[in-house]
Amino acid sequence: AQTVTQSQPEMSVQEAETVTLSCTYDTSESDYYLFWYKQPPSRQMILVIRQEAYKQQNATENRFSVNFQKAAKSFSLKISDSQLGDAAMYFCAYRSGGEEGTSGSRLTFGEGTQLTVNP
Amino acid sequence: ETGVTQTPRHLVMGMTNKKSLKCEQHLGHNAMYWYKQSAKKPLELMFVYNFKEQTENNSVPSRFSPECPNSSHLFLHLHTLQPEDSALYLCASSQLQVYNEQFFGPGTRLTVL
Repeated sequence: AQTVTQSQPEMSVQEAETVTLSCTYDTSESDYYLFWYKQPPSRQMILVIRQEAYKQQNATENRFSVNFQKAAKSFSLKISDSQLGDAAMYFCAYRSGGEEGTSGSRLTFGEGTQLTVNP
Repeated sequence: ETGVTQTPRHLVMGMTNKKSLKCEQHLGHNAMYWYKQSAKKPLELMFVYNFKEQTENNSVPSRFSPECPNSSHLFLHLHTLQPEDSALYLCASSQLQVYNEQFFGPGTRLTVL
């Protein structure tokens, strides 16, 4: 079974600075997908960024980028120019590259990292 | 808003009550999910429905009973719950292609007294 580990329960960053959130995972599969989700207080969880394991290039979405190290099974999230609105719980998630309608649809989540942005 | 709504947003119930959580998605997706989110624990997948058929029951106690009458609606029927069932219950939906993200609802905060 796959596991996802986020070793930082809490992180803080100054506004406009850069912060990196860590995520490691364990799997024997070669085809899979990795996600970072953001859950602001009392608001819905939304997708921040997605990485396909077969792609060597790291995904980037505006101020958000990942450092995907497949051999090390590491998938960290870097937030540049942090803003107050980035304060949230961040979850790393793994999804198998399995067939539709099977366990391929299952997401395995880490425990989350609570990010505080200080003005 | 993600296109997934959940009602009620908050629910307090006794251990002998029967209640239902409702989830509706307006995205045309064909898969829906129930997750349990407890403090300081990873999200736990409870049930998966693909094309209205339950494809996964992640060892969930029978006091939780899901129902998916159509691809847009998902219910979670609750009866004789325990205090340890208190948590945030999240519904999500997706289109059944491996790279597609899951869209989450705002959740129902459940407290069992």
